[in-house]
Amino acid sequence: GNSVTQMEGPVTLSEEAFLTINCTYTATGYPSLFWYVQYPGEGLQLLLKATKADDKGSNKGFEATYRKETTSFHLEKGSVQVSDSAVYFCALPISSGSARQLTFGSGTQLTVLP
Amino acid sequence: EAGVTQFPSHSVIEKGQTVTLRCDPISGHDNLYWYRRVMGKEIKFLLHFVKESKQDESGMPNNRFLAERTGGTYSTLKVQPAELEDSGVYFCASSVLAGHEQYFGPGTRLTVT
Repeated sequence: GNSVTQMEGPVTLSEEAFLTINCTYTATGYPSLFWYVQYPGEGLQLLLKATKADDKGSNKGFEATYRKETTSFHLEKGSVQVSDSAVYFCALPISSGSARQLTFGSGTQLTVLP
Repeated sequence: EAGVTQFPSHSVIEKGQTVTLRCDPISGHDNLYWYRRVMGKEIKFLLHFVKESKQDESGMPNNRFLAERTGGTYSTLKVQPAELEDSGVYFCASSVLAGHEQYFGPGTRLTVT
């Protein structure tokens, strides 16, 4: 089945710093790719997604581009805020023919300091 | 519209005891999923219900885990007897249709001592 490898954390940045969290995937076909975020005390929330190669997903200042050449879906933000402190998960369907099961990366804990 | 809710938010039990986790999906969502994150590692799929039927339980680790969804509404996940390696965060998610966006609950943190 499909799988994802995510940059290990934790990551600590100062406010307004540039953020990159690396995510690479192994998949048959071209499944949708997702970034989920878990803020303290809350459930997982879909942050952004891309459904086909070269698509760019974006939300709340975060962006990720579906790159089939490098099988990557890196998460970026130009200027992080304290409120971005959370755990970020890269994910994709476990099989390209279905989005029933998701397989996740190990998560990256981001802490943004004022 | 209420989101996915899970109860309890945190449970601490001793090895050998039984624990039951509950998930209430978003109303009208026929698809319900259980996942867990153990030892701060990746989140892994456990099983998938469509209404009251188990569509896929390939991720269930062993027969100490029993999931039910009577009536196709809320679901329970029972661990009996609990072992130390069962500690982790158990997430529930629901979706309108399989393959559509999954909405996650806040998770239940299970600690087995």
